[in-house]
Amino acid sequence: NAGVTQTPKFRILKIGQSMTLQCAQDMNHNYMYWYRQDPGMGLKLIYYSVGAGITDKGEVPNGYNVSRSTTEDFPLRLELAAPSQTSVYFCASSYPGEGTEAFFGQGTRLTVV
Amino acid sequence: AQSVTQLGSHVSVSEGALVLLRCNYSSSVPPYLFWYVQYPNQGLQLLLKYTSAATLVKGINGFEAEFKKSETSFHLTKPSAHMSDAAEYFCAVSPAGGSYIPTFGRGTSLIVHP
Repeated sequence: NAGVTQTPKFRILKIGQSMTLQCAQDMNHNYMYWYRQDPGMGLKLIYYSVGAGITDKGEVPNGYNVSRSTTEDFPLRLELAAPSQTSVYFCASSYPGEGTEAFFGQGTRLTVV
Repeated sequence: AQSVTQLGSHVSVSEGALVLLRCNYSSSVPPYLFWYVQYPNQGLQLLLKYTSAATLVKGINGFEAEFKKSETSFHLTKPSAHMSDAAEYFCAVSPAGGSYIPTFGRGTSLIVHP
């Protein structure tokens, strides 16, 4: 049982480069999320999706884009990497329902130099 | 808007001592509340959750939390700390009758001394 799978686990980018962080879940969850985690700041919501074809901005969406063409996959795109995007990125998923918990991937540690 | 405040970015205890991690929430109606744990270089995993069934909630690894509406609190406790409890702990809230999207606190790092 894979749960939520994120790739890659680590990545170093140069300023201005682009990349896609991959996220896949095999639990048939409708809801998927992207968070970034910075030391002492907790988790900040970047984007979320309530189902295939539907995405919406979270608290810190600038510099990122997402798409949701299938229930399983929710990739996060960085178009022009900046040092401020150095962070640990977590993908999560959940059933839509009151009191349901989120299931998290192992994270992607991104460094922009 | 909902929010959670975790008091103390670091909590240090001796092995065998009581663990108390504090979480206060802000919400117009009693929300759903969660505690997650993050071990080094791993994702978050659920410790326990409050969904209005019982105010005292028991979770994994001997942790429990009590929902106190009058104090808008959901503090996490464990009677006796173990070295393996050293981790980052996050309190989270999701609204009742709302979007289900969780909002996380800043986290508390639990340090356990031998």
